[in-house]
Amino acid sequence: AQSVAQPEDQVNVAEGNPLTVKCTYSVSGNPYLFWYVQYPNRGLQFLLKYITGDNLVKGSYGFEAEFNKSQTSFHLKKPSALVSDSALYFCAVKGGATNKLIFGTGTLLAVQP
Amino acid sequence: EAGVTQFPSHSVIEKGQTVTLRCDPISGHDNLYWYRRVMGKEIKFLLHFVKESKQDESGMPNNRFLAERTGGTYSTLKVQPAELEDSGVYFCASSQALLRDRVLYEQYFGPGTRLTVT
Repeated sequence: AQSVAQPEDQVNVAEGNPLTVKCTYSVSGNPYLFWYVQYPNRGLQFLLKYITGDNLVKGSYGFEAEFNKSQTSFHLKKPSALVSDSALYFCAVKGGATNKLIFGTGTLLAVQP
Repeated sequence: EAGVTQFPSHSVIEKGQTVTLRCDPISGHDNLYWYRRVMGKEIKFLLHFVKESKQDESGMPNNRFLAERTGGTYSTLKVQPAELEDSGVYFCASSQALLRDRVLYEQYFGPGTRLTVT
């Protein structure tokens, strides 16, 4: 069965420092992976996706994610964090033969000024 | 282009009452999904419509939940009767497709409806 794990409930980083939000997955077949972000009182916003090809995927707001097949990971990264990046981040995987998304539990990113 | 909209944004009801949530997808999106996030846990899939047909309703928790998408446009999710454990945030999403011709389409999410059952 498809599953996603986000091992950190919260990540704290100082503004200007690089950030990483971790995600590991378990799938049968090819992994189709997504990152979404939820700002306070807002819906989920799409950041980036991976289907195949280059292991480094670039997305919105300067975020990127690195796909690592051997480690079954899809970590979200940004070279320099902004206070405005503070939000809840969700990793998701396409659910096998179905079109549903399977989400992780979310990681709260707090960027301190 | 208007995004996915959901109504109401918040709903507080008593146990045993009925609530109906509405979702308007992005125009032209045949695929509509319902998800919910309960008690700060992971976001869980409820069901998937393709136009007016239920493609996958494997995530519907029980028969107190009824989803419809008459005419293949907006969708409603009715909870009757509501129980305390139904409290959470209900998200709707839409997409053109998900995987077609090796193109992976993302799902666009609405702002959610926060349901509180007391």
